[in-house]
Amino acid sequence: GEDVEQSLFLSVREGDSSVINCTYTDSSSTYLYWYKQEPGAGLQLLTYIFSNMDMKQDQRLTVLLNKKDKHLSLRIADTQTGDSAIYFCAESRDNAGNMLTFGGGTRLMVKP
Amino acid sequence: DAGVIQSPRHEVTEMGQEVTLRCKPISGHNSLFWYRQTMMRGLELLIYFNNNVPIDDSGMPEDRFSAKMPNASFSTLKIQPSEPRDSAVYFCASSPTAGTDNTEAFFGQGTRLTVV
Repeated sequence: GEDVEQSLFLSVREGDSSVINCTYTDSSSTYLYWYKQEPGAGLQLLTYIFSNMDMKQDQRLTVLLNKKDKHLSLRIADTQTGDSAIYFCAESRDNAGNMLTFGGGTRLMVKP
Repeated sequence: DAGVIQSPRHEVTEMGQEVTLRCKPISGHNSLFWYRQTMMRGLELLIYFNNNVPIDDSGMPEDRFSAKMPNASFSTLKIQPSEPRDSAVYFCASSPTAGTDNTEAFFGQGTRLTVV
């Protein structure tokens, strides 16, 4: 079955870059996602990447995909205190890209 | 659009009671998902509807759990009888028609269920 793994915790200083890593096991994944969850809130889609891409950039966010190693990363440039949240990696196999298998989430703490 | 709306936001109930969680998906979305989030197991997909029809309910933990989608604008997740181990945050999500290029799933704020 599918498995998505993330490290539990990351702490960075304000202004530094954050890199959150994720590994997955399902080679038939079609879409890979990064979601952000702030305290007491639902999940907000940050960005996604199709499996035939290796990089996607969206403002401060850069997603890198190494399909051979089944490794996905999210880089946040110039990290701000408002970026403190839990970040979930997720993968999907279906065309709709929405039957998601989530990682356990990485708690990002940004220190001023 | 107000987004995916879930109610209640918080529910505290006694063990053995019936609990009903409600979800209103975004208008025009054809797919609806129920997820459960716990510290121990993270986010798990419970059930998935497409055009009001349950497509995959393999994530539903046991017969005490049931979900319905009587129409395109409403879904319920029911637990009867509830147990303390059902305590979790339950998320509903909706997305546009399967097979399109738009892959975003929009999540509700969640219902935090506590069974005592």
